[in-house]
Amino acid sequence: TQLLEQSPQFLSIQEGENLTVYCNSSSVFSSLQWYRQEPGEGPVLLVTVVTGGEVKKLKRLTFQFGDARKDSSLHITAAQPGDTGLYLCAGHREYNFNKFYFGSGTKLNVKP
Amino acid sequence: DAGVTQSPTHLIKTRGQQVTLRCSPKSGHDTVSWYQQALGQGPQFIFQYYEEEERQRGNFPDRFSGHQFPNYSSELNVNALLLGDSALYLCASSSGQGNRETQYFGPGTRLLVL
Repeated sequence: TQLLEQSPQFLSIQEGENLTVYCNSSSVFSSLQWYRQEPGEGPVLLVTVVTGGEVKKLKRLTFQFGDARKDSSLHITAAQPGDTGLYLCAGHREYNFNKFYFGSGTKLNVKP
Repeated sequence: DAGVTQSPTHLIKTRGQQVTLRCSPKSGHDTVSWYQQALGQGPQFIFQYYEEEERQRGNFPDRFSGHQFPNYSSELNVNALLLGDSALYLCASSSGQGNRETQYFGPGTRLLVL
């Protein structure tokens, strides 16, 4: 059982559409990070959210950390083919900063 | 500023053999973590090294062991390889403590066990 559950597992959309990816847990996290990974490469950090209710924007990407720090979402506006990749949420549980948990990932394909 | 580097990039081994993977952390980082990522899945935490000691360990058997050197670089050793050990092995480095610790990942080593 994954500590962090991501949904959907797969997403295939047309260029220009909007989408939201969800990351949920029954545990409280002291922080959550979102990564994007391309085939054969390591994950690349997109953002870190730390405070409950925090919202961060990175160009067309909007990240939100839930008020209770148990969930997070990633919203992409007007998706582009360059957004294609595996999106992973990950974080440290509260009071255990040495172990880092990953979600199972959301595989996004944006068709031109 | 060099990021996290890993070697080799690809490796093919047969069942029962042993393998050593290497990682150099990002400049200024003192903590190295190792992850196993099976195809189509998220990375699974193997262990973390800090000050040359294993600080935390995930649910992996003793066949998986590691080491950290005084220059903070690290090795991951896997003994008695199984077919199921085929995966992308990722190294991540970080510094500092607390909930703002950010991990930076290397490109990984793709291990294939035949």
